[in-house]
Amino acid sequence: AAGVIQSPRHLIKEKRETATLKCYPIPRHDTVYWYQQGPGQDPQFLISFYEKMQSDKGSIPDRFSAQQFSDYHSELNMSSLELGDSALYFCASSFRPFQGDEQYFGPGTRLTVT
Amino acid sequence: GESVGLHLPTLSVQEGDNSIINCAYSNSASDYFIWYKQESGKGPQFIIDIRSNMDKRQGQRVTVLLNKTVKHLSLQIAATQPGDSAVYFCAENFPLRGNTPLVFGKGTRLSVIA
Repeated sequence: AAGVIQSPRHLIKEKRETATLKCYPIPRHDTVYWYQQGPGQDPQFLISFYEKMQSDKGSIPDRFSAQQFSDYHSELNMSSLELGDSALYFCASSFRPFQGDEQYFGPGTRLTVT
Repeated sequence: GESVGLHLPTLSVQEGDNSIINCAYSNSASDYFIWYKQESGKGPQFIIDIRSNMDKRQGQRVTVLLNKTVKHLSLQIAATQPGDSAVYFCAENFPLRGNTPLVFGKGTRLSVIA
């Protein structure tokens, strides 16, 4: 079965650079969530989209922005990167944004900021 | 892949024994709970969920217990196998306008001794 696809899988950037992470949800899923997981940490919710509209916002820095496109894929844009942005970034998708609709996680993008 | 959660609490279990992983959740208003398994280099994988109107739910080799009085969840894995070695997270849902970002608890690393 198709899973959530994230690209790139690994990304190395320098401080103050920008990065774009992409997420392709499972077919027919219209809801996308972004999570950040620092080393030794639990995943922290950043932002989510439902039907191409932002539906909720978590601890996403102002330097980050995201959007969901007409084909339901999503991109997380990160600017003025800091060392502390080094983390695993997961995208999850669900069929609807309702409680009980299982969120399927992608393999993650490992971002390293040097 | 690189390990997630290098400094997490660790539970070591002999192969074939039962494992019990505990989790305390934060919000008494949460009414939906999920256990995730995260293997090294991979995204969280759904194991089992439970709603707040239940105190026990069983799956294949796994059982989740919910104690709302003390805001405590546990995951029991029967006949633990080497493939069960991973980091386990509990997550809770806050009912927010129909959108359901997950709030993850601190993970526990399960190490199965063959």
